[in-house]
Amino acid sequence: DGGITQSPKYLFRKEGQNVTLSCEQNLNHDAMYWYRQDPGQGLRLIYYSQIVNDFQKGDIAEGYSVSREKKESFPLTVTSAQKNPTAFYLCASSISGQGAITEAFFGQGTRLTVV
Amino acid sequence: AQKITQTQPGMFVQEKEAVTLDCTYDTSDPSYGLFWYKQPSSGEMIFLIYQGSYDQQNATEGRYSLNFQKARKSANLVISASQLGDSAMYFCAMREGSWNNDMRFGAGTRLTVKP
Repeated sequence: DGGITQSPKYLFRKEGQNVTLSCEQNLNHDAMYWYRQDPGQGLRLIYYSQIVNDFQKGDIAEGYSVSREKKESFPLTVTSAQKNPTAFYLCASSISGQGAITEAFFGQGTRLTVV
Repeated sequence: AQKITQTQPGMFVQEKEAVTLDCTYDTSDPSYGLFWYKQPSSGEMIFLIYQGSYDQQNATEGRYSLNFQKARKSANLVISASQLGDSAMYFCAMREGSWNNDMRFGAGTRLTVKP
């Protein structure tokens, strides 16, 4: 079945540590996204990538880093510079390109807690 | 820059009644798409309905319809015959037709269906 897989589902991090969230898709989508969601809030864009080896900052990129070495994978690293990383993180993918206005498909999310 | 506004933090509806969730948007791109997603307590994002900026008719998908008023820049979601399972967060989102077309979300509306 085609889809997006995020792992792990739950993640605990000690303060001062970097942690990497995995996102893999087999939908052959060029575009991938990372969003952060705080309790009772909307989705805020962290980073997005329209094509391999290219990515753009979203609205809240500080304290996060990404890579896009393969079309299928878009891992997100939450660095120690992110002061309040406890949140629900959602990865998504979609068709990309000029005029490509299609829905995004989402993974199940990773719930990150700083302990 | 694109912007999505959902002004109703919470809404209540009686089972079997219809409900309208509001969404307004702002963009200077003549080509764009509007999306509605449902997020139950599990956290998954479920795509509901899409409306393109050039579509002449309002989109419908089963019990969901989109009241698209282009001049007013509004794209309200109408859910008919509400069911208890409709209780969830609902997000409006927009994607522009330009090359670097990320997807941005509103703050969401929490819908509660009462028996």
